[in-house]
Amino acid sequence: DAKTTQPTSMDCAEGRAANLPCNHSTISGNEYVYWYRQIHSQGPQYIIHGLKNNETNEMASLIITEDRKSSTLILPHATLRDTAVYYCIVRVASYQKVTFGTGTKLQVIP
Amino acid sequence: DVKVTQSSRYLVKRTGEKVFLECVQDMDHENMFWYRQDPGLGLRLIYFSYDVKMKEKGDIPEGYSVSREKKERFSLILESASTNQTSMYLCASSSTSRGTDSPLHFGNGTRLTVT
Repeated sequence: DAKTTQPTSMDCAEGRAANLPCNHSTISGNEYVYWYRQIHSQGPQYIIHGLKNNETNEMASLIITEDRKSSTLILPHATLRDTAVYYCIVRVASYQKVTFGTGTKLQVIP
Repeated sequence: DVKVTQSSRYLVKRTGEKVFLECVQDMDHENMFWYRQDPGLGLRLIYFSYDVKMKEKGDIPEGYSVSREKKERFSLILESASTNQTSMYLCASSSTSRGTDSPLHFGNGTRLTVT
C-alpha cells in the first residue's frame, strides 16, 4: 500500500467548509483513495472513496487531482459533530491489507 | 447496516495472563482485521484474515496470535500479556466480493489495560 501524508491538525469555523488535504505521491494506478474519520471513543467510520473522478455523497466530497498524487476531502458545512480525526488511506479495493497513518485532527470551532 | 461487535469495551488483565479479544461481524464478510491504536502512532495492523483458518501478519504481529475458526468470528490472543500491550484494540471487517466498494467496518474497540 502507498503511504499518505496529512497535516497533524486543522481548525475550521462552524458552518464553513472544511478542506482536508492528503498527499499520496506514490499511488499506483489501481489504488483507490479512501477516507475515514474517528470520533472520540468510537471506531473509525467510512466516509467516501474514489479512483480518479471526483466523488460526492451525503457526508462529503472527494476531489482527486488529475495526476492522482493528492486529494482533498471537503465537508461543505462543518458542524461541531464533525470534530474528529480524519484518515486518508490508499489501497487496491480487493487487496486485504490496509494500513492507516496518524490522520488529521479536525477541530470545529463554534 | 454492518455490525462489528467486540466482546468487551474495557478489560483489565495482569502481566503474564493469556488474553482473548473476540470480534464478531454479521455481514458475511470475507476479510477481518485487528489493529491497535496508541497516542501518536495511529492505527497499526496486527493481523488480518481473508478466509476461515487463513491469517496473515500485519505490521506488528509480535506477541499476538489470531484464530478464525468461523467466518463471522476473529479472535486476537495475547499469549502472555505484557504492560506494553496496554492499548485500544480495534477489529474491522470488509467484503472482497463487492469489488471496488469494499470499505472497512470497525467495531468500537476494546481498551485493554495490563497491570
